[in-house]
Amino acid sequence: QLLLQEPGPGLLKPSETLSLTCAVSGGSVGTTNYYWAWFRQTPGKGLEWIGSFYYNGIVYYNPSLKSRVNIYADLSKNQFSLNLTAVTAADTATYYCDGGTGPRTVMSWGQGARVTVS
Amino acid sequence: DVQLTQSPSSLSASVGDRVTISCRASQDINNYVAWFQQKPGKAPKSLIYAASSLQSGVPSRFSGSGSGTDFTLTIDSLQPEDFATYYCQQYNTYPLTFGGGTQVEIK
Repeated sequence: QLLLQEPGPGLLKPSETLSLTCAVSGGSVGTTNYYWAWFRQTPGKGLEWIGSFYYNGIVYYNPSLKSRVNIYADLSKNQFSLNLTAVTAADTATYYCDGGTGPRTVMSWGQGARVTVS
Repeated sequence: DVQLTQSPSSLSASVGDRVTISCRASQDINNYVAWFQQKPGKAPKSLIYAASSLQSGVPSRFSGSGSGTDFTLTIDSLQPEDFATYYCQQYNTYPLTFGGGTQVEIK
């Protein structure tokens, strides 16, 4: 069973960079045909996809965030990370990491990290 | 972007009721639809993938159906632990998108 954990920084100031890391257990970030993704949720905008990457290194980003987002993996630590630059109050949200098989036969979300920009 | 319209946005039901939630896509999404359940303060939990396939460990009272642009989540015999918010998600096309959610409340 995939388990994902993404402890967060809690509070950031505007213009700072949000950095989150998702530790994976019960599976490997480098496993063939797996995806790894970041989402966020706000009361106003609901659930929003930030970006995804695949075992073969292909990465997709939400066009609305693409200029500020970087998602990458550290295979040696079996984790993947999100950097979001130049944060504003609009980036205040609960951030979730997600991973599973490409066909979605397995999908597992982390418990979430609440981030406030103020 | 693919827009997903969920209806209703909320509903009240009793234990034992049959509940159906609709998710309509703005274009054909080839059955690449997942359904999630979310309880307050918790992460979304996957229930259904590929429109109608049940995730491992999910009770059989949950089922999904539909194709093309119209999809449905059905809960047969609603249980107390099923009161939550439900979301559909399409993973056919980037950017991935979600419906606005359906809150299932106790009548």
